[in-house]
Amino acid sequence: GAVVSQHPSRVICKSGTSVKIECRSLDFQATTMFWYRQFPKQSLMLMATSNEGSKATYEQGVEKDKFLINHASLTLSTLTVTSAHPEDSSFYICSAQAGGPSSEQYFGPGTRLTVT
Amino acid sequence: GESVGLHLPTLSVQEGDNSIINCAYSNSASDYFIWYKQESGKGPQFIIDIRSNMDKRQGQRVTVLLNKTVKHLSLQIAATQPGDSAVYFCAESEDQKLVFGQGTRLTINP
Repeated sequence: GAVVSQHPSRVICKSGTSVKIECRSLDFQATTMFWYRQFPKQSLMLMATSNEGSKATYEQGVEKDKFLINHASLTLSTLTVTSAHPEDSSFYICSAQAGGPSSEQYFGPGTRLTVT
Repeated sequence: GESVGLHLPTLSVQEGDNSIINCAYSNSASDYFIWYKQESGKGPQFIIDIRSNMDKRQGQRVTVLLNKTVKHLSLQIAATQPGDSAVYFCAESEDQKLVFGQGTRLTINP
């Protein structure tokens, strides 16, 4: 149980375009979902925390107008990278949490974004 | 802000040997720690966790040790196998969010 999927697994887009990444909890309801970014050979950095039905909370330095997060249901959160640039190329990973704040986060397989 | 860090960025061990991956944390108020394994191109995979009211916890072939006095966390992997090759991250639960350490790449030599 506790499977999280992401779609697409890889995406290549042109500079200036937008791309949407989906994160789904397949067998549980996620009250909270998290979005992370991971550059090559670096650690995961939290971008934002998303609670179902409310606005996402962004970490310092993450532009909320560039990285749009929607958490419309208990099983789906989306991250839209708007007006993507080559420096946005990264590995984007989501996680989902079923219980309270200290409960386990289940991670998705990640989405590799390449902006040309 | 406070952060979680690792002593060794890379570790190479012989197959069958035991390996120890270390992590230092700076937030003395942290009460929950997790070790993750990440294979190339994949998301983190939960290995084992420990709460601050414990100093040792064992799983299958893995043991996590917590030394609160020196704010140090370690992951011991017994009888390493080729499938153990990956990057290992410690993470600290801070204000309901996870703060990840830098990561250690573990390579298993045949």
